[in-house]
Amino acid sequence: GESVGLHLPTLSVQEGDNSIINCAYSNSASDYFIWYKQESGKGPQFIIDIRSNMDKRQGQRVTVLLNKTVKHLSLQIAATQPGDSAVYFCAENMGMNRDDKIIFGKGTRLHILP
Amino acid sequence: DAGVIQSPRHEVTEMGQEVTLRCKPISGHDYLFWYRQTMMRGLELLIYFNNNVPIDDSGMPEDRFSAKMPNASFSTLKIQPSEPRDSAVYFCASSRTGLGLFFGEGSRLTVL
Repeated sequence: GESVGLHLPTLSVQEGDNSIINCAYSNSASDYFIWYKQESGKGPQFIIDIRSNMDKRQGQRVTVLLNKTVKHLSLQIAATQPGDSAVYFCAENMGMNRDDKIIFGKGTRLHILP
Repeated sequence: DAGVIQSPRHEVTEMGQEVTLRCKPISGHDYLFWYRQTMMRGLELLIYFNNNVPIDDSGMPEDRFSAKMPNASFSTLKIQPSEPRDSAVYFCASSRTGLGLFFGEGSRLTVL
């Protein structure tokens, strides 16, 4: 589907290699960050999250790294598979007073090469 | 749980018509969000509710857009009158405090 933009940065990765998707966030006061995966024609799907009191969190085949000094977030996907092809969004909680106001970045398209 | 349920999945309408999009959040979730996704602007937050109360509607484009949440299990996003530039995929998402969002499948709106 065409629910995501044609002008997204694209990362092409060989199947089986590791992927690293980067994101710069805007609000130094944000305390909660999330990565989402959006497949064609579907809504974004939660992958992994991290709070600002951590700098690394691991899930199944995915790792999120947080560098608060430079306001940078990354998603590492190990042993990339064809099913990982999607657009990946980072999101941050910009809510005041602990409200969950989740704002999304522009997204990166991950393309898996056979 | 069935997840977040949105309707309609697709809507094609003519400029000037009223459009109503509907959302049923996941039971027990206290936050509900409406997002709009377009090629040019990506995923934009329009409005979000906490315990059925609108918290931030600063993303609502203009007065033609309105959203309501009459109870914990239902929300609507209304556009009246609709314009071609409103064409987009509209997503509803819900969450429990402090946890990630769960999205519906989206409502694809085309305004001719």
